Parts: sequence; structure tokens; C-alpha cells
Amino acid sequence: AQKVTQAQTEISVVEKEDVTLDCVYETRDTTYYLFWYKQPPSGELVFLIRRNSFDEQNEISGRYSWNFQKSTSSFNFTITASQVVDSAVYFCALSVGRGSTLGRLYFGRGTQLTVWP
Amino acid sequence: DARVTQTPRDKVTEMGQEVTMRCQPILGHNTVFWYRQTMMQGLELLAYFRNRAPLDDSGMPKDRFSAEMPDATLATLKIQPSEPRDSAVYFCASGPAGDSSYGYTFGSGTRLTVV
Repeated sequence: AQKVTQAQTEISVVEKEDVTLDCVYETRDTTYYLFWYKQPPSGELVFLIRRNSFDEQNEISGRYSWNFQKSTSSFNFTITASQVVDSAVYFCALSVGRGSTLGRLYFGRGTQLTVWP
Repeated sequence: DARVTQTPRDKVTEMGQEVTMRCQPILGHNTVFWYRQTMMQGLELLAYFRNRAPLDDSGMPKDRFSAEMPDATLATLKIQPSEPRDSAVYFCASGPAGDSSYGYTFGSGTRLTVV
């Protein structure tokens, strides 16, 4: 069975602070993908990143960075120099399989991030 | 940017009425999902399709929910009869065939309120 755990329900920071959102996953499949989605107050789900299980390289995109560690089954998300516009609910998700068999997304419960000015 | 289009955006209906939600996936995407989001349960998978064939609808209450893809450009989710506990935001998402770095794209959702 697949499972995603986001232990932090809510996080509050002040603008310009760095913040890390934790994600721990469980799967017995050796081929899987991990995702992060952002849900701003407007409600839509915005895709941020996808990583596959064979690529443990960390990823950086502007102020966002992701740390994937298979040894601890974690895929953590760090926002550097946070801004008020980063306030949102962030979801980590897992999908198993590859290519044409890529399957459903298993979502964590989400972390509500609030960035205060 | 290509988008997944969901209609209606908001729907208020009375208990017992039929509700139909529509989704237009991104052209060329062969995988379509329906998810429901509530405070209590979070994001739950209701159904998903690949090449218009249903792959998994085990998360859907079969007695009142039905999901179909009449063609590659339209997915529908129907609730009949609706109940107050169906109040939620319903998301449709689509994904491309094969491997891609773009992940799945979600629509803006349909906010359903059953009174």
C-alpha cells in the first residue's frame, strides 16, 4: 500500500525566513514518482515538481528547493526567503508505476503555510 | 498554457437533485482523474480513466455516483440523488501518455453545496 505523511499541519513564518515542509512516503514499489502541489487561497491545485525514484539529485528552482532521500523515504520542500505570496496549502503526493502505467496520486493531508509580513 | 476546464465552478443544489460536473482534459492527455476534497478526508480519489476506459472507481459510492468519458474531450461525474454529505470541492485532473516532467494538471474545481 502507498502512503504519504505530512506531519506538519500548519506552519507560520515571518517574511524572508526559510521554511522546510516535510514529506515522508511509504511504498514497496521500486519505481515511483513524488510530487509537490500548491493550493493557494483561490483553491486550484498547482503542480510544482515531479521526481522519479531513480533520480535522487536535489532540485532547485528559484527560491524553491527539494531534497529527495530514499534512505529516509523523504521528499522535503524548502522555500528560501519566504514571501507572503507563498502562503498556501502544500501537498506532497506519490504515484507508482512508470510511463503508460503511471497510476493514481496518493496525497498527504497537506501543510498550511502562512507567511506574515 | 494548456488548461483542464471544469464546469460549473460553483453549484448549489437541494438534497435529492441530480448533479452533473464536467471536465475537459488537456488535448492529448490520456489519463483523467476525479478527486474530491473535504476538510475531513482531504483529497480522495473517486475515479480514473486511461484512454477513456475506467481503471479504478473503487473510491466512488456506486449507488449514487457515476463517472464516464463519452469521448476524449469530455469527462463527467454525476451524483444522483445528491446528499448534504456530498458537499465538497471536486477536482478533475489530466495527464499525458508516457513519461513527462509535467505531472498532472488539475482543473479549478467544482465547489458543490448540497442543502
